[in-house]
Amino acid sequence: EAGVTQFPSHSVIEKGQTVTLRCDPISGHDNLYWYRRVMGKEIKFLLHFVKESKQDESGMPNNRFLAERTGGTYSTLKVQPAELEDSGVYFCASSPQGGGTEAFFGQGTRLTVV
Amino acid sequence: GQQVMQIPQYQHVQEGEDFTTYCNSSTTLSNIQWYKQRPGGHPVFLIQLVKSGEVKKQKRLTFQFGEAKKNSSLHITATQTTDVGTYFCAGLGGQAGTALIFGKGTTLSVSS
Repeated sequence: EAGVTQFPSHSVIEKGQTVTLRCDPISGHDNLYWYRRVMGKEIKFLLHFVKESKQDESGMPNNRFLAERTGGTYSTLKVQPAELEDSGVYFCASSPQGGGTEAFFGQGTRLTVV
Repeated sequence: GQQVMQIPQYQHVQEGEDFTTYCNSSTTLSNIQWYKQRPGGHPVFLIQLVKSGEVKKQKRLTFQFGEAKKNSSLHITATQTTDVGTYFCAGLGGQAGTALIFGKGTTLSVSS
């Protein structure tokens, strides 16, 4: 069974540019999470999808971030325009049920904004 | 929303010494999960605790859930260099109370 896959693994963009990160969860997992880890610090929650619906987007830093999950399958996280402070590792995780079950993480996308 | 506090932030030990990280919540947790992230890697699920006072062991790792379900700990006996990484606890929180919210983690380094 394939795990959670994220693309790209690395991205270096200039300030002001747009970047789109993609996450393919484990097939059948209704719950999909986006997190960000900056400079080896905490894993900061961004948002939580249940199928195609945004269950909780309270962690999204501002309106430069837009997440979608078309058809309840893969998800994208777009940053437009990117700022220096957006640099970090963006993790996607999925679980078959809500927070009461194990979350499976992807390898992450390392975003560097220069 | 619910916040999970974790201490210490960093811990360095000599190989063979024990290590403990603590997780505390201001509210009662329905369950708590522990994850490990190796340097350059991604978080990997270790265990979930659900019952009050629950204790679970995985080889040299011992996990405890407090009686009040507000705190938890992870204890590693006789650390090895392979134990290096950041250990996170996670509980339900967020605006809707359904998101998995992580503590700040404890980064463990081990010297041989």
